[in-house]
Amino acid sequence: SQQGEEDPQALSIQEGENATMNCSYKTSINNLQWYRQNSGRGLVHLILIRSNEREKHSGRLRVTLDTSKKSSSLLITASRAADTASYFCASPYGSSNTGKLIFGQGTTLQVKP
Amino acid sequence: KAGVTQTPRYLIKTRGQQVTLSCSPISGHRSVSWYQQTPGQGLQFLFEYFSETQRNKGNFPGRFSGRQFSNSRSEMNVSTLELGDSALYLCASSLEGGWSEQYFGPGTRLTVT
Repeated sequence: SQQGEEDPQALSIQEGENATMNCSYKTSINNLQWYRQNSGRGLVHLILIRSNEREKHSGRLRVTLDTSKKSSSLLITASRAADTASYFCASPYGSSNTGKLIFGQGTTLQVKP
Repeated sequence: KAGVTQTPRYLIKTRGQQVTLSCSPISGHRSVSWYQQTPGQGLQFLFEYFSETQRNKGNFPGRFSGRQFSNSRSEMNVSTLELGDSALYLCASSLEGGWSEQYFGPGTRLTVT
């Protein structure tokens, strides 16, 4: 079963607008990670936020984590057509570092030029 | 550093055959994880190897197996292929496993006819 649930499933915006994607998870986590996948290709790591962090930035990306609500959000500011992709949140499974990530179903983002 | 490489990139097999996929991790990474991605089930964890030991295994039948060599390269094998095994198979390498960033390869697209 998926630990992460994401919404919306699909998002369509105009270039220059901001895009927000949300992720909820079920159990306590060591960290939460966000990945991007361009159509049919490998995943690219975007940001890792640890459970003791509340917010993290990387360029035009901003990730927040609310462990009390078991939720995270990814904000992409000033979106570009090149941001068109699927975005996934993922968290390690269980309390030990065994390399198993549980992924959400993803949000498909379309940025129109 | 060179990224994660996967070979072959595309495969077409018939039901009942077996297949071996290969993954070369980033130099210095000892953890290699494998995922299956399908439109219906999303990204599902297959197994993870760390220093040649399988640390975790997903909920897949015994037809799916893997191994890791002393140079951290990993292979996964699927025997007695079924139509439902058609998927994108992704491997990811990392320093520690789920508690660190995962670096994904481009994937192997397997089609079973």
